[in-house]
Amino acid sequence: SQTIHQWPATLVQPVGSPLSLECTVEGTSNPNLYWYRQAAGRGLQLLFYSVGIGQISSEVPQNLSASRPQDRQFILSSKKLLLSDSGFYLCAWRRRDRNTEAFFGQGTRLTVV
Amino acid sequence: KQEVTQIPAALSVPEGENLVLNCSFTDSAIYNLQWFRQDPGKGLTSLLLIQSSQREQTSGRLNASLDKSSGRSTLYIAASQPGDSATYLCAPGDYGQNFVFGPGTRLSVLP
Repeated sequence: SQTIHQWPATLVQPVGSPLSLECTVEGTSNPNLYWYRQAAGRGLQLLFYSVGIGQISSEVPQNLSASRPQDRQFILSSKKLLLSDSGFYLCAWRRRDRNTEAFFGQGTRLTVV
Repeated sequence: KQEVTQIPAALSVPEGENLVLNCSFTDSAIYNLQWFRQDPGKGLTSLLLIQSSQREQTSGRLNASLDKSSGRSTLYIAASQPGDSATYLCAPGDYGQNFVFGPGTRLSVLP
């Protein structure tokens, strides 16, 4: 069976510090991978998606970047965090066939102080 | 650009009631639509996926319908239980690789 891992679960970082959140998927190959952010009191916002190694599409211009160094690994990064980067970050995957469900990780709660 | 709304924003009902949650979307050119639940502070759990060619999909006490031409989907929960308390999100998927989320309906089922 397929599983998705996201870590860390919680993170408190000072303004201006770097960020690296990691997401890995097991039990499948060539998945589509997604990063979403859920700010307090707001809906889920798509940040990045990837259809293959090194292929990243950005949906929202921001202080963040994403990379996919391996087929089942998706990393969300920032060089300098802003207060507005606080939120709940969720990684998701789906098979390349669009007619399949998307599955989400348990999320990372990021607080920038 | 796809926009998704969900009504009601919040709902509180006694245990045992049958419920209907509504989802509307502006762009009917969707490939499928997925319903999720989210418990507080947790990730999303997939409930149902409806293909654009389908009218209904059922899983246990859940039944989701899709009227693609009118841009609507409903999630029907039969005989609600306190364990159903969560936020329910709908997400239509486009012909690319993406899906857009609604703001959710926060459901509380009282024992």
